[in-house]
Amino acid sequence: GAVVSQHPSRVICKSGTSVKIECRSLDFQATTMFWYRQFPKQSLMLMATSNEGSKATYEQGVEKDKFLINHASLTLSTLTVTSAHPEDSSFYICSARSLLNNSPLHFGNGTRLTVT
Amino acid sequence: GDSVTQMEGPVTLSEEAFLTINCTYTATGYPSLFWYVQYPGEGLQLLLKATKADDKGSNKGFEATYRKETTSFHLEKGSVQVSDSAVYFCALSDRVDSSYKLIFGSGTRLLVRP
Repeated sequence: GAVVSQHPSRVICKSGTSVKIECRSLDFQATTMFWYRQFPKQSLMLMATSNEGSKATYEQGVEKDKFLINHASLTLSTLTVTSAHPEDSSFYICSARSLLNNSPLHFGNGTRLTVT
Repeated sequence: GDSVTQMEGPVTLSEEAFLTINCTYTATGYPSLFWYVQYPGEGLQLLLKATKADDKGSNKGFEATYRKETTSFHLEKGSVQVSDSAVYFCALSDRVDSSYKLIFGSGTRLLVRP
């Protein structure tokens, strides 16, 4: 079945550094990828929608200069957390939609980011 | 804005017990409703969905009915198994297919003991 690979699964970084998270669709082409963030005991909150070859659409309140999204190909989207701070520590999850109409969303396993 | 509220967990049950996980929503339009499941170490998977009022979604013994009058979409299973232990997320979308953006509840962890 369709698989979305998200890497890394866990990352610890120091405050002020940047972290890149990759989301790959392994056996299908993804026109659209979604990036979610989840705080402990809270909902998955949509951060942004990325479409291949165009700029990402960010949800209200999400800083586009801090969370850089690049969807350079039909199988890869990246989220870069720039100048990370402890409050950016969270669980980030990507999901991907294939080219087929009415196809379900496929989710990655998520990335646990800890900023020290 | 649209939102989803689901019961806090963890929910701990013995094998073969009856399961209910409550989910209510707030939406301005006529959303589609979904239940996703996340097994340990895996990504979210679509469990079932309903696209209009009174629809019943079902899969793997789980079912949920879209109740417009109570704005609810409670998940039920008559007899749970240890393998059902996972985190369950209720979600809504304002598009019929689930490939539009989803609004999730906070998730409910289910632990089923032998």
